[in-house]
Amino acid sequence: GAVVSQHPSRVICKSGTSVKIECRSLDFQATTMFWYRQFPKQSLMLMATSNEGSKATYEQGVEKDKFLINHASLTLSTLTVTSAHPEDSSFYICSASGRELSFNTEAFFGQGTRLTVV
Amino acid sequence: ELKVEQNPLFLSMQEGKNYTIYCNYSTTSDRLYWYRQDPGKSLESLFVLLSNGAVKQEGRLMASLDTKARLSTLHITAAVHDLSATYFCAVDRGKTSGSRLTFGEGTQLTVNP
Repeated sequence: GAVVSQHPSRVICKSGTSVKIECRSLDFQATTMFWYRQFPKQSLMLMATSNEGSKATYEQGVEKDKFLINHASLTLSTLTVTSAHPEDSSFYICSASGRELSFNTEAFFGQGTRLTVV
Repeated sequence: ELKVEQNPLFLSMQEGKNYTIYCNYSTTSDRLYWYRQDPGKSLESLFVLLSNGAVKQEGRLMASLDTKARLSTLHITAAVHDLSATYFCAVDRGKTSGSRLTFGEGTQLTVNP
């Protein structure tokens, strides 16, 4: 399968600061990337969908001004958590799907980023 | 709104036993995925089921999809301790295979010696 790399794997930040998480597709062109959030002992919830070169589409209830998503190239999407608060502490996971036919039925997940806001 | 329900949510079983995890979903979709998640880790893809009647097997795990019943099953045969993990099913909401996934609640499986 294809490789999706997320960075950093863990980050601790102070309340009120911003944190950027990167999601890279290493060996394919990711036309679409997805950002999910997972609270402890819970399932994954889709936050937003980003297509290369266009604005992200956010799911209902997700604040677009708080969770800034940029998908400037076919191999990189970033999620910036602005003015983070302790309730934003969560496991953030990206996935990516590509234009090649063999990739057209599945998205590939990054390793996840554990964000802790203190 | 698409809803995906798994049961059971918690499963404790003995090594060597068989069991089935069920995944029901509420609207039409013909793309269903099963994932495994170990504590503190991301998702590991297990199966991609793309059509009605699809059946896939890998080792002690077998997954099937019935799109008419909107039901998928993950069957565990002769469980071993290494299978202990949380298992998620997910349904693709996208019109194309963009993988906008709605996940079930997850089934936390513990296999006891």
